[in-house]
Amino acid sequence: AQSVAQPEDQVNVAEGNPLTVKCTYSVSGNPYLFWYVQYPNRGLQFLLKYITGDNLVKGSYGFEAEFNKSQTSFHLKKPSALVSDSALYFCAVDRDDKIIFGKGTRLHILP
Amino acid sequence: GAGVSQSPSNKVTEKGKDVELRCDPISGHTALYWYRQSLGQGLEFLIYFQGNSAPDKSGLPSDRFSAERTGGSVSTLTIQRTQQEDSAVYLCASSMDGSSYNEQFFGPGTRLTVL
Repeated sequence: AQSVAQPEDQVNVAEGNPLTVKCTYSVSGNPYLFWYVQYPNRGLQFLLKYITGDNLVKGSYGFEAEFNKSQTSFHLKKPSALVSDSALYFCAVDRDDKIIFGKGTRLHILP
Repeated sequence: GAGVSQSPSNKVTEKGKDVELRCDPISGHTALYWYRQSLGQGLEFLIYFQGNSAPDKSGLPSDRFSAERTGGSVSTLTIQRTQQEDSAVYLCASSMDGSSYNEQFFGPGTRLTVL
């Protein structure tokens, strides 16, 4: 069965430090992978996606994610965190036009 | 505006009443999705429309929930005989054509509170 896991409910990072939000998936065949962000009191926004090609995908607000097929992971990264990055982040996997979202990881950037 | 809109933004109702939630997708987007987001939970898929038809209704939690889409545009999610466990934020999203590689654009949500 298709699934996606975000093993951390919350991640705390000091401002200026690199951040990683983890995501692993289970799907047969080649997946399409997405990251979405939900800022406080706002709707979800698309950040980036992996479809095919280069394993390192760059997205909005300086975020990037690396597709690792052998580890079935798609971790979200940013070299230098900003306080404004504090939000709820969702990983999603889509296969055969059926999308599944992870439970979300709350990212706190500490000033 | 050019984004997905939802109304009302907040709805408070009494247990047992029916509610209707509305979604206006981005113009030209043929795929429309409804999700539910409960406190501390992730996004729970409810239903997906391609045009006016719903090929995937697998997420509707009970027969009290129904949805329709008319004219390939506006969609309405109806919850009959609301229960307290229906309290959540209901999110609508649209995408260009429902293909797996297209990202979804989300509305701001409707916060439903059932007393």
